[in-house]
Amino acid sequence: DGGITQSPKYLFRKEGQNVTLSCEQNLNHDAMYWYRQDPGQGLRLIYYSQIVNDFQKGDIAEGYSVSREKKESFPLTVTSAQKNPTAFYLCASGGTGWANTEAFFGQGTRLTVV
Amino acid sequence: QQQVKQSPQSLIVQKGGISIINCAYENTAFDYFPWYQQFPGKGPALLIAIRPDVSEKKEGRFTISFNKSAKQFSLHIMDSQPGDSATYFCAARGNKLTFGTGTQLKVEL
Repeated sequence: DGGITQSPKYLFRKEGQNVTLSCEQNLNHDAMYWYRQDPGQGLRLIYYSQIVNDFQKGDIAEGYSVSREKKESFPLTVTSAQKNPTAFYLCASGGTGWANTEAFFGQGTRLTVV
Repeated sequence: QQQVKQSPQSLIVQKGGISIINCAYENTAFDYFPWYQQFPGKGPALLIAIRPDVSEKKEGRFTISFNKSAKQFSLHIMDSQPGDSATYFCAARGNKLTFGTGTQLKVEL
């Protein structure tokens, strides 16, 4: 099946720990994105990447890190520097050209700090 | 600017009525304007999208109206159904995809 897969669906983190959220796509998309969603709020962009080995900070990158070593993978690490990490995290992928514009989302990872 | 402003924050519509959600943007470099539908606990799903060289696009009960000069676009849901109850996000693409703050739609019987 073609699509975008996030894992795990639920993740619990202790204070002071780093955790990594996985995002894999087999849609051959160049662009990948990480968003954070808090209750009653919109989607806020954390990081995005338009090509392998390159990525840019979004609006709320502090306390997060990413890598893009492969086209199909864009893992997000939530570091201990992120003061309020409990949220719903969404990964998306999409095309960067005019002819391939839809962005598809994964089903999300709900991260809870315990 | 990359901001996209969306209104209203929440909306209650009677079954069979028309739901209207509005968005406005500043960046004239945006080249693609999608709408997403999100159910609780799920990722957003693409509903309908429009490019700035088109003033209207219709797919079933969903219509996007686009006003390039006013830098505004809206989603109209005709004959709204209880199954349409969800959160709707508008978005705009420049060098990245920027989302509005979302509208929680509730369709009552």
